[in-house]
Amino acid sequence: EAGVAQSPRYKIIEKRQSVAFWCNPISGHATLYWYQQILGQGPKLLIQFQNNGVVDDSQLPKDRFSAERLKGVDSTLKIQPAKLEDSAVYLCASSLGVIGGYEQYFGPGTRLTVT
Amino acid sequence: EDKVVQSPLSLVVHEGDTVTLNCSYEVTNFRSLLWYKQEKKAPTFLFMLTSSGIEKKSGRLSSILDKKELFSILNITATQTGDSAVYLCAVERGTASKLTFGTGTRLQVTL
Repeated sequence: EAGVAQSPRYKIIEKRQSVAFWCNPISGHATLYWYQQILGQGPKLLIQFQNNGVVDDSQLPKDRFSAERLKGVDSTLKIQPAKLEDSAVYLCASSLGVIGGYEQYFGPGTRLTVT
Repeated sequence: EDKVVQSPLSLVVHEGDTVTLNCSYEVTNFRSLLWYKQEKKAPTFLFMLTSSGIEKKSGRLSSILDKKELFSILNITATQTGDSAVYLCAVERGTASKLTFGTGTRLQVTL
């Protein structure tokens, strides 16, 4: 079974530029998550999708971050404009179920550096 | 606000030692507690605990949950250098499968 795929793996941009990350979850997984992991901290949930609907985006900085999951499969996360404090690893995860109790599988992450 | 606190923040042990990692939590509508191992990339799943007092075991790793005292421990016996990683604890609440993570414990196993 293929895992969660993410691209790019690394990205360096200057502040005020825009950037987009892509995630392809495990086939058949209904729920998709985007996390932000700042160095030395645990992952923080940014947004959760069930199929193509948003379940939770309470911690997404909506003035600069946006995300979509078209057709309930792949997802993109965009930052525009980027700030220095957005430097982090952005992890995508997916799980089989639409309610709790299912393990989340993580992708390799995208390491973003904002200079 | 949900809260997950892990201790110690970091730990250095010699190969063969036994270690215990701690995780305490405060969460509304608790559903489960999960442990993940994170090396240089994606967190990989270790255990999901939902019931108090039942030990989950996988090889040299084991974990137990105390829902009354709101904590969990992760034990690693006969540590190996390959166990060096950050160990993350997360709690899941409600029916929406939302995870709140702790900051992790960084374990280094030396020869």
